[in-house]
Amino acid sequence: GQQVMQIPQYQHVQEGEDFTTYCNSSTTLSNIQWYKQRPGGHPVFLIQLVKSGEVKKQKRLTFQFGEAKKNSSLHITATQTTDVGTYFCAGKKTGSGNTGKLIFGQGTTLQVKP
Amino acid sequence: DVKVTQSSRYLVKRTGEKVFLECVQDMDHENMFWYRQDPGLGLRLIYFSYDVKMKEKGDIPEGYSVSREKKERFSLILESASTNQTSMYLCASSLPLAGATDTQYFGPGTRLTVL
Repeated sequence: GQQVMQIPQYQHVQEGEDFTTYCNSSTTLSNIQWYKQRPGGHPVFLIQLVKSGEVKKQKRLTFQFGEAKKNSSLHITATQTTDVGTYFCAGKKTGSGNTGKLIFGQGTTLQVKP
Repeated sequence: DVKVTQSSRYLVKRTGEKVFLECVQDMDHENMFWYRQDPGLGLRLIYFSYDVKMKEKGDIPEGYSVSREKKERFSLILESASTNQTSMYLCASSLPLAGATDTQYFGPGTRLTVL
């Protein structure tokens, strides 16, 4: 079945360093969403990308959707301890209609050393 | 503000027991989902529902069933709990807006331990 692979699984960085997580889908996606889960919390929606090659920014976070709509990345500039958590990408399969079904990546857990 | 609530934060059950996990959303969302979350495996879809009394299997439905008798409520049932069903269970809901964002809103999760 369709999969969304996310790497790396874990990342430890020093505060102030940059961080990137990558998602790759086996098939074309109609959109991709990113979620953040703080330790002990639940996933919370960050952003959705729809267009081929789209780039969106939220303060220090930059999200990209690939030209072929099969891959995406999240880049955090100058990490802070508040960035700690697990970041998930979630792709919506082309032609999945209105069921809202998403395919989640395995997540990247970010640890930031102060 | 969307609110998704789950009946318990922590639950301990014995092998063979029938377990009910309940999820309620207050935003009139059509779509509801049950996931389990395990370290290194991310969120795996168990079942979802796109309307009252409608349900579809996700990626790992074995050992589970669901019920959606009312729009706001989606129940996950473990007919005979087993130790390999020890996990964090997350419920989510979303609107079926074609062409628009179909953000999923998650509940706080239920950490189930089966002894």
